[in-house]
Amino acid sequence: NAGVTQTPKFRVLKTGQSMTLLCAQDMNHEYMYWYRQDPGMGLRLIHYSVGEGTTAKGEVPDGYNVSRLKKQNFLLGLESAAPSQTSVYFCASSYSHSIDRGGTDTQYFGPGTRLTVL
Amino acid sequence: AQKITQTQPGMFVQEKEAVTLDCTYDTSDPSYGLFWYKQPSSGEMIFLIYQGSYDQQNATEGRYSLNFQKARKSANLVISASQLGDSAMYFCAMREDSWGKLQFGAGTQVVVTP
Repeated sequence: NAGVTQTPKFRVLKTGQSMTLLCAQDMNHEYMYWYRQDPGMGLRLIHYSVGEGTTAKGEVPDGYNVSRLKKQNFLLGLESAAPSQTSVYFCASSYSHSIDRGGTDTQYFGPGTRLTVL
Repeated sequence: AQKITQTQPGMFVQEKEAVTLDCTYDTSDPSYGLFWYKQPSSGEMIFLIYQGSYDQQNATEGRYSLNFQKARKSANLVISASQLGDSAMYFCAMREDSWGKLQFGAGTQVVVTP
């Protein structure tokens, strides 16, 4: 049981290049999320998915696209990378959406991807 | 508007002492959840403890406890008997809606000294 994995761990891009970050989870979770973390700030939600084939925008969606073709995978794409997208990207997943389920709704995070855009 | 406020950017605590990390939140939703995560220098996000808005008792998980004061909209994390391995960034987060989206505070850096 690997939990939540992210590929790659590190990446350096030049401005204008594109790339895809892959998140995979083996916990059969319905919900998946992409966050970014910038220095001195907490995590901010980019996009999320509440099930296979569905995606929605979070707090900071501009410049990113996502896809959830399979339940276990959630892809984050940068079509034309900008220096402002230099950040650490975290993927997370959770089982259900009921607030009253308590800790079983906990989001489990991947190890993160450190992206630098030059 | 900032929904989660952590007013302590950094704290030093001696080993074996207790430390309280402050978190206040802003919501008008009667149903919400509050989380604390630990981020060590290695970077991963580790879930520590959860408190639901309808929970009657404060949550506890081993050396972690959550001092939940609903009327004051605060959810402070208490770490008892601090250990060197507790040195990390600690984030408070809130979930308001049914889609599980989390909103994070800016974090508090804790350094445990011998």
